[in-house]
Amino acid sequence: GQNIDQPTEMTATEGAIVQINCTYQTSGFNGLFWYQQHAGEAPTFLSYNVLDGLEEKGRFSSFLSRSKGYSYLLLKELQMKDSASYLCAVTDSNYQLIWGAGTKLIIKP
Amino acid sequence: IAGITQAPTSQILAAGRRMTLRCTQDMRHNAMYWYRQDLGLGLRLIHYSNTAGTTGKGEVPDGYSVSRANTDDFPLTLASAVPSQTSVYFCASSAAGGGTDTQYFGPGTRLTVL
Repeated sequence: GQNIDQPTEMTATEGAIVQINCTYQTSGFNGLFWYQQHAGEAPTFLSYNVLDGLEEKGRFSSFLSRSKGYSYLLLKELQMKDSASYLCAVTDSNYQLIWGAGTKLIIKP
Repeated sequence: IAGITQAPTSQILAAGRRMTLRCTQDMRHNAMYWYRQDLGLGLRLIHYSNTAGTTGKGEVPDGYSVSRANTDDFPLTLASAVPSQTSVYFCASSAAGGGTDTQYFGPGTRLTVL
């Protein structure tokens, strides 16, 4: 079966750094997305990785290791507005997007 | 209109009733999707359309139907609602199908079936 694993919930402090991990077992791989979803709102795109390595975009970075079936989202200089759920999604060999259940990130002052 | 709109925002529905959730996008995207999101579960794909005139089944299509008569609109119909269809429904679109393009989501419809 196809599976994407993320921690259910994480807590971090304002101004700190947090890393949200995502591991996947899918039939093939054609890319990995990270989306942010604030409570009661729609998911919004954060990043896309298809090759191994780190993609940096402002305070957010996303890393991919295809051989390990592993990605992480790194959030620096955390702000209260970063409190949200972070969704990992993988495109499989059939070009279907498989979604993880998401990680709820709680930022404390 | 900018992006994707969905209607209604929320709805309480009696079991057995028919309901159509509306979705319209103005980005001229070819592909559109319907997802449901339940607590503790990831987004689950109900139906999709890679281009106007074509539709396909996702992971959880039973009890739902869709049509794609034109590029902009992608309504989702529940023929006879059941309580297990209580969920938040998101419509999304992308420039192309195939799971490698960024998907843009509508604000969602919160549906309660009693």
